[in-house]
Amino acid sequence: GAGVSQSPSNKVTEKGKDVELRCDPISGHTALYWYRQSLGQGLEFLIYFQGNSAPDKSGLPSDRFSAERTGESVSTLTIQRTQQEDSAVYLCASSLVETGLREQYFGPGTRLTVT
Amino acid sequence: AQSVAQPEDQVNVAEGNPLTVKCTYSVSGNPYLFWYVQYPNRGLQFLLKYITGDNLVKGSYGFEAEFNKSQTSFHLKKPSALVSDSALYFCAVRDTWGGNNRLAFGKGNQVVVIP
Repeated sequence: GAGVSQSPSNKVTEKGKDVELRCDPISGHTALYWYRQSLGQGLEFLIYFQGNSAPDKSGLPSDRFSAERTGESVSTLTIQRTQQEDSAVYLCASSLVETGLREQYFGPGTRLTVT
Repeated sequence: AQSVAQPEDQVNVAEGNPLTVKCTYSVSGNPYLFWYVQYPNRGLQFLLKYITGDNLVKGSYGFEAEFNKSQTSFHLKKPSALVSDSALYFCAVRDTWGGNNRLAFGKGNQVVVIP
């Protein structure tokens, strides 16, 4: 079946512009995660959605970052007034009902470059 | 808070030799442990997980990992490495204590299998 998809695959933007990144999780997966992968820094947790519960936003690095999810489907990550340090690969993952036992399935990522 | 350490940035191994990628973790309760692999320009792929039970866990592509509670380790192993195993490997842990839904990833290990 279809995996997690993300768009765009690459995004180049000027400093100060807003960007919106999209994630389509695997159908039926109620849990959705956003991570940021910077060179040599591993994966940094950003935000977590689980069904209709309030999202865990504790990983968002600043108030320029926000994310939404429509029900149990598409999610968008928005970065306002982008800065050069926002340049990274943004990864989305989804999993079945979140009990901590289930592995996460990752999308291919969006490579964001802020010039 | 949970954390993972992957002490080596890069692991070089000759094709056909045993491969070991090290991981140690820190949690307050009991750990759920995962290994993921990332091939160039691809998203992360799940390899294996430890939840409970047998300390030796077998996963995809001939990989296995051993959970060692006394040493708080979860090293990834493969008896005979292939050139195609060259990739970035991430260890991850989730703490069962405190209702935390977050998965903490290590910085990753670059594995280079030399023909």
